Amino acid sequence: GENVEQHPSTLSVQEGDSAVIKCTYSDSASNYFPWYKQELGKRPQLIIDIRSNVGEKKDQRIAVTLNKTAKHFSLHITETQPEDSAVYFCADTTGGGNKLTFGTGTQLKVEL
Amino acid sequence: GAVVSQHPSWVICKSGTSVKIECRSLDFQATTMFWYRQFPKQSLMLMATSNEGSKATYEQGVEKDKFLINHASLTLSTLTVTSAHPEDSSFYICSAPQGGSSSNEQFFGPGTRLTVL
Repeated sequence: GENVEQHPSTLSVQEGDSAVIKCTYSDSASNYFPWYKQELGKRPQLIIDIRSNVGEKKDQRIAVTLNKTAKHFSLHITETQPEDSAVYFCADTTGGGNKLTFGTGTQLKVEL
Repeated sequence: GAVVSQHPSWVICKSGTSVKIECRSLDFQATTMFWYRQFPKQSLMLMATSNEGSKATYEQGVEKDKFLINHASLTLSTLTVTSAHPEDSSFYICSAPQGGSSSNEQFFGPGTRLTVL
């Protein structure tokens, strides 16, 4: 089955610095790549997504890049703030459906 | 965006009892819903795909006789954990795509925290 690897598992940055989280996937048919932010005890919240026909997408401080050849995609957060502290998950959907496979998660801590 | 609710938000039950969790799409119809389980400090693991009007599709390793799924209407899917045991204690989350099977974006319920004593 599909496998999504995510690195790093934990990331600590100073407020104002940038944070980068990387994921790789195995299924070349994957065509949709969302990123979720999850706070403790809460539901995952979609923060940005990208489709396979696009290489990069940006929304204010958040950007996602996709390299289909290498089968990896990355989340970039600039000017990090303490409220960015949470667990971030990448995911993808494979084939013609919309079943999500999640990465293992990254605990981001933004320190003052 | 679309809204998905879950009920209850948390439940504590005794070992051996059954627990039903409801997932509702409040402002859209969902022919497909997904059920995930999340253990502490772990990722979301897909348990099954709930299909309105037909049987659920279970992921490998998930016991269909233990985790009963019923998708009785276009806005409601239920997950029943039968004969629950402490190892079933987890955070159960459902999701639904607003545009049916052809839509990618998922809308998640708030989750149900199950604790089995």
